[in-house]
Amino acid sequence: NAGVTQTPKFQVLKTGQSMTLQCAQDMNHNSMYWYRQDPGMGLRLIYYSASEGTTDKGEVPNGYNVSRLNKREFSLRLESAAPSQTSVYFCASADRRNTEAFFGQGTRLTVV
Amino acid sequence: AQSVTQLGSHVSVSEGALVLLRCNYSSSVPPYLFWYVQYPNQGLQLLLKYTTGATLVKGINGFEAEFKKSETSFHLTKPSAHMSDAAEYFCAVTSSGYSTLTFGKGTMLLVSP
Repeated sequence: NAGVTQTPKFQVLKTGQSMTLQCAQDMNHNSMYWYRQDPGMGLRLIYYSASEGTTDKGEVPNGYNVSRLNKREFSLRLESAAPSQTSVYFCASADRRNTEAFFGQGTRLTVV
Repeated sequence: AQSVTQLGSHVSVSEGALVLLRCNYSSSVPPYLFWYVQYPNQGLQLLLKYTTGATLVKGINGFEAEFKKSETSFHLTKPSAHMSDAAEYFCAVTSSGYSTLTFGKGTMLLVSP
């Protein structure tokens, strides 16, 4: 059982470049999330999708876009990367009742 | 709105000593509370959770936590620390019907021999 799979695991971008982080879950969960983790800041919610076809902004959405492609997949796009977006990004999914959230292994992104 | 406060960004204990990591929450509705552990360069793993029912919940690796509504707390404890417990621990809150999971800033547990 794969759970939540994120790709890539590592990425280095130059300022201004774009990229898409991919996330897929195989647990038939309705809710999916993108968080970023920075030292001393915990995990901050970027965007979430409560169900297929819906997306909403979280605490730190600026500079990001998302797509809930289908129930399994939820991608995060950086249109023009900035050094402030250097972070570790986690995707997560949860069941409808929010009784547990499962996390991917993370994507370590460096913007130079 | 919901929020979580974890007291102490770093906690140091000796191997065999009691582990106590503090978490206080704010929620206007009955909360669901979680503790996650993160080992270096890995994702988050669920340690334990409280949704409804028994207020003392037991998790993996000998950890447990008690939901105290009157104190709005959900502190994590383990009677005897092991070197392998060294990691970062996150407390999180959500509720039935909520669409988001809100995390505290984390507590790094350091275990010395």
